[in-house]
Amino acid sequence: GIQVEQSPPDLILQEGANSTLRCNFSDSVNNLQWFHQNPWGQLINLFYIPSGTKQNGRLSATTVATERYSLLYISSSQTTDSGVYFCAPNTGGFKTIFGAGTRLFVKA
Amino acid sequence: NAGVTQTPKFRVLKTGQSMTLLCAQDMNHEYMYWYRQDPGMGLRLIHYSVGEGTTAKGEVPDGYNVSRLKKQNFLLGLESAAPSQTSVYFCASSYEATQYFGPGTRLLVL
Repeated sequence: GIQVEQSPPDLILQEGANSTLRCNFSDSVNNLQWFHQNPWGQLINLFYIPSGTKQNGRLSATTVATERYSLLYISSSQTTDSGVYFCAPNTGGFKTIFGAGTRLFVKA
Repeated sequence: NAGVTQTPKFRVLKTGQSMTLLCAQDMNHEYMYWYRQDPGMGLRLIHYSVGEGTTAKGEVPDGYNVSRLKKQNFLLGLESAAPSQTSVYFCASSYEATQYFGPGTRLLVL
């Protein structure tokens, strides 16, 4: 099955800094989602992005399906951005595979 | 709208006991899913449903059963709990590809 690799596994930022999270996947995908899991465990869908670039406030995401990677860009990070960010590509049907995540901690 | 809700929030079971986790959504979504999340890992799909009365196996279905008798509800059952089923269980629903998750159920099997 598809392999999903997220990097870096852990990231510590000072509030206000920018960061880029990467997701590599080993096979063609139909679509891809990015999720944020906050410190209380709640999962929030950030982007549905099978290809191209989308922006939502301080967050943006880019997927280059032909090169099998996606990037999540966080600008002007805030302490509320802390948590785990998951990349979840879908290879068809309902087979959505989650990566292991990037754990982000933003210091005040 | 409550979105996706899960019952219970936390449960402790002894090995061999059975239980049912309830997921409810009020967004009229056709698709519903059950995932498990183990420490330091992403989510893995247990079972899913594409509509009322239908269910299908996901990535890790062994030891679990599901039912979707009503469109808004998706039940996950453990017939004989094992310590390996200690995990956090998440339910999700979707209309198309974007999934909306419940708050999770933390299950400890002793």
